[in-house]
Amino acid sequence: AQSVTQPDIHITVSEGASLELRCNYSYGATPYLFWYVQSPGQGLQLLLKYFSGDTLVQGIKGFEAEFKRSQSSFNLRKPSVHWSDAAEYFCAVGPGTYKYIFGTGTRLKVLA
Amino acid sequence: DAGVTQSPTHLIKTRGQQVTLRCSPISGHKSVSWYQQVLGQGPQFIFQYYEKEERGRGNFPDRFSARQFPNYSSELNVNALLLGDSALYLCASSLVGGEAGELFFGEGSRLTVL
Repeated sequence: AQSVTQPDIHITVSEGASLELRCNYSYGATPYLFWYVQSPGQGLQLLLKYFSGDTLVQGIKGFEAEFKRSQSSFNLRKPSVHWSDAAEYFCAVGPGTYKYIFGTGTRLKVLA
Repeated sequence: DAGVTQSPTHLIKTRGQQVTLRCSPISGHKSVSWYQQVLGQGPQFIFQYYEKEERGRGNFPDRFSARQFPNYSSELNVNALLLGDSALYLCASSLVGGEAGELFFGEGSRLTVL
């Protein structure tokens, strides 16, 4: 069955520290992979996406993610976190048909 | 350009009532998808419509229905509301209906069922 796992429910980092949010997926073929961010009371904003090609993708707000087929992972990284990055982050898999499968999210807290 | 717009933003209903949520996609987008996001969870796929036809349906009961209009806007209807239907309902539009087009989300309609 297709699924997305985000093992970390909550993560707390200090402002200026590096960040890595984990995402593992289960899918029978090459997936389309996404990271979305959601601020409280808001909809989802796309940070970055992977369809094919270079496995290291750059997104908005200084985020990047690396697709590792052997590990079925698509981890999100940022070298230096800003207080405004505090939000909930969702990894998603697009099966290429009609629906997207989202993980349960990782809530990021940033300490000043 | 306007993004995906949803209405109403918040609403409160009681058990057994019916609710209609509305969504206007980004201009030029012909595909609309609906997702339910229960507090503390990721969004769950409910429906996708493309060119006014249902292209996919998630694992939701028949109390949930939707339609897409000629102008590509969409409505989600939920009948016989249950407490468990309380959630943020997200609408997303995309250029394509079948392949992995990027989804653009609205800010959602928060439904509370008492």
